[in-house]
Amino acid sequence: GQQVMQIPQYQHVQEGEDFTTYCNSSTTLSNIQWYKQRPGGHPVFLIQLVKSGEVKKQKRLTFQFGEAKKNSSLHITATQTTDVGTYFCAGKRGSSNTGKLIFGQGTTLQVKP
Amino acid sequence: DTGVSQDPRHKITKRGQNVTFRCDPISEHNRLYWYRQTLGQGPEFLTYFQNEAQLEKSRLLSDRFSAERPKGSFSTLEIQRTEQGDSAMYLCASSTGLSNTEAFFGQGTRLTVV
Repeated sequence: GQQVMQIPQYQHVQEGEDFTTYCNSSTTLSNIQWYKQRPGGHPVFLIQLVKSGEVKKQKRLTFQFGEAKKNSSLHITATQTTDVGTYFCAGKRGSSNTGKLIFGQGTTLQVKP
Repeated sequence: DTGVSQDPRHKITKRGQNVTFRCDPISEHNRLYWYRQTLGQGPEFLTYFQNEAQLEKSRLLSDRFSAERPKGSFSTLEIQRTEQGDSAMYLCASSTGLSNTEAFFGQGTRLTVV
């Protein structure tokens, strides 16, 4: 079945360093969403990418959707302690109207002050 | 509070018992989803509803699991004859029925089967 793989599983950085997590799907996605889950919390939506090659920015966060719509990345510039948490990508396949999101395993970010 | 609400937040049960969880979605959302999350993993899709219709079910949803959304508002997820492997966080989410919209997650129900 469809799989969404995410790497790395964990990342420890010094505050101020950059961070990137990568997401790869075995099949073409209709769109991809990114969520952040703080320790003990629930997933919170960050952004959605729909178009091939799309790049979106939110302050220090840059999200990219690959040309083949099979991979995506999230890059955080100059990490802060508030960036701590687990970042998940989640893809929809086939018709974009399906409700089913396939989540990656997540990348847990630790930031040392 | 206008977010997604789940009850209970925590449930400890003995193996073999039945449990039922409730989810109240955001009121104007007609889509409701159930996911299961274990430690160190991403949420796994279980099922989703559009209004009262259950449109898709995962193969993970064995015959011991059943979900309902009788009036297209709140939903219940029942697990019969619980097993230790059912221990997980059960997350509910809701969204509008439009394409390309975000899912809003509840705080989850943490189930521990002893």
